[in-house]
Formats: sequence, structure tokens, C-alpha cells
Amino acid sequence: NAGVMQNPRHLVRRRGQEARLRCSPMKGHSHVYWYRQLPEEGLKFMVYLQKENIIDESGMPKERFSAEFPKEGPSILRIQQVVRGDSAAYFCASSLSGALNSPLHFGNGTRLTVT
Amino acid sequence: RKEVEQDPGPFNVPEGATVAFNCTYSNSASQSFFWYRQDCRKEPKLLMSVYSSGNEDGRFTAQLNRASQYISLLIRDSKLSDSATYLCVVNGGSGGGADGLTFGKGTHLIIQP
Repeated sequence: NAGVMQNPRHLVRRRGQEARLRCSPMKGHSHVYWYRQLPEEGLKFMVYLQKENIIDESGMPKERFSAEFPKEGPSILRIQQVVRGDSAAYFCASSLSGALNSPLHFGNGTRLTVT
Repeated sequence: RKEVEQDPGPFNVPEGATVAFNCTYSNSASQSFFWYRQDCRKEPKLLMSVYSSGNEDGRFTAQLNRASQYISLLIRDSKLSDSATYLCVVNGGSGGGADGLTFGKGTHLIIQP
């Protein structure tokens, strides 16, 4: 009964490169959320997706960031032309029927370091 | 006023003691409240939901005060393993989608032997 799987655990990119973060939700979960956490800061919502649809991307920067959750395969958070300020822990969470009615289950995160 | 506000601590508490901390929220229309726990460099995990009448789960008790817009978490007979950051989570903010969950920055708790 695998939980939320994120990979890679650690990702190092040089400025200007692209970062791809992957998230496989828990089996049977179709709601996926991405959060960013800076050191000593709280979790900041980025985007909420259901299969093939972006429900809310109000927390995502307008440029360089994109997310998808295809019909088959994991959800992908893509950051183009990374900058040092993108260094953070990125957590993915999934829920069965939306976060109000069923708890969020988090993956163990991807720690992105931009050099 | 911040959407969800917590005292960052740290709270240094001897093992076996009782500790309580609060979280205030700004949106009076919020309906759902949770406490999550996050260990250092790990993912957050749901500790408990908070119900209107208050609820208890073992050594943990959660209370909601709608009039003053705060929720509280009480830990009795604290254990070394309770050392963690406790995140207050409330809906009705900018958290995302119709659910709008917003996370506080957390209260850091250290249980000392």
C-alpha cells in the first residue's frame, strides 16, 4: 500500500537549467496538490490538479512554472530556467475526495538546490 | 492580519509535562481545521482534525473557539517523540481550490529528558 511517491528526493540544478519533479499519488487518489516550503517558512500552496485538469494554480508563479497531471503517469511540476530563489523543498500531497473531506497525504518531498 | 498565525516557539518542555499552544485564523467563514505534525526535514502528517465540540485522541486534545477565531492543541504527558513542528491548517484562505487550505508556519516543540 504505497503512499505518495515523489522523486527525486534531492535535485541539484545550475541556474538556467530545467527542473522536473514527479509525484505519484496514493492509489485511488485523484486530487493532487503541490506545495513549496522554504527554510523556517510554512508550506505555500502552488497548484491543485485532478486528472488532466488544473483546478487552481493561483499559488504558482506566472512564469517558468508549470504543472500537469496526465491521464497516465505521475503529476509533474516543471520549473524552467531555475534561479537561486527556487531552492526549496517541494511537497506533493494527494487526497481521495478533496482536502476538506479526506486528509492530505504528503510525499517525502523533493529538495531542489540551485547552484 | 495573517491568515493563519502561530507562535513559532520553540517551546522547551520537560518530558511528562503538559503543553498547549494556540493558532489564530483570520477568516470567520472557515469551516475546517486540522493539526499536522512535521518532523525535521520530513513531510507533514495529519495529527488530528478539530471539531466544533472539541475532540481528543489519546494524549492530544484539540479545541476550537469560533468567537475568538482560534484553535488549540494540548499534549498531556509529553514524550520525547512528541518533539516536532506542529502546523495549524485552516480552510477558507488562499490554500488552493475550493478547499482553500492554508498552513501556518508551525510551532516548534522540543521535549527535554
